Amino acid sequence: SQTIHQWPATLVQPVGSPLSLECTVEGTSNPNLYWYRQAAGRGLQLLFYSVGIGQISSEVPQNLSASRPQDRQFILSSKKLLLSDSGFYLCAWRAGLAGGRETQYFGPGTRLLVL
Amino acid sequence: AQSVTQLDSQVPVFEEAPVELRCNYSSSVSVYLFWYVQYPNQGLQLLLKYLSGSTLVKGINGFEAEFNKSQTSFHLRKPSVHISDTAEYFCAVSDRGSGNTGKLIFGQGTTLQVKP
Repeated sequence: SQTIHQWPATLVQPVGSPLSLECTVEGTSNPNLYWYRQAAGRGLQLLFYSVGIGQISSEVPQNLSASRPQDRQFILSSKKLLLSDSGFYLCAWRAGLAGGRETQYFGPGTRLLVL
Repeated sequence: AQSVTQLDSQVPVFEEAPVELRCNYSSSVSVYLFWYVQYPNQGLQLLLKYLSGSTLVKGINGFEAEFNKSQTSFHLRKPSVHISDTAEYFCAVSDRGSGNTGKLIFGQGTTLQVKP
């Protein structure tokens, strides 16, 4: 069966510091991968998605970037954090090939607090 | 473009009572429909989904939802709730067209508060 991991689970960072959040998926190949952010009172917003290694699409202009160095690894980064980057970051995957690719499955999330 | 409206931000209900969480969507294309549940400090868990076929969909934990195309709604129901159902519930849609990116558009969420 497939599993999705995110780390760290919680992170407290000062303003202006760099960020790296990691997401990995097990038990599937060539998944589509997604980063969402859940900010207080603002619902869930898609930040980035990737259909393959090195292929990143950005949904909103912001202080963050994403990379996919390996098939089942998705990284969210920032060079300098802003207060507004605080939130709950969720990684999700769906099958990249035919069969069950309608559904996204979410990881446990990383809670980021920028002070 | 698609949008999702969850009509109630909070729904308080007593244990063993029935509950309905409302969801309406807007889209110019055909969509898939989903309900996810989020327990405190956890990720989202899929409750149920409508892809095609029967408009009444059954999910986990005794929940069900009915797709109504004419009213563009996908309301979530449970006949008898438990304390453990206390959580936030999200309705979401995605474009079902070929080559779609799988992008999910979420509603703002409904907090279900089950009281003893």
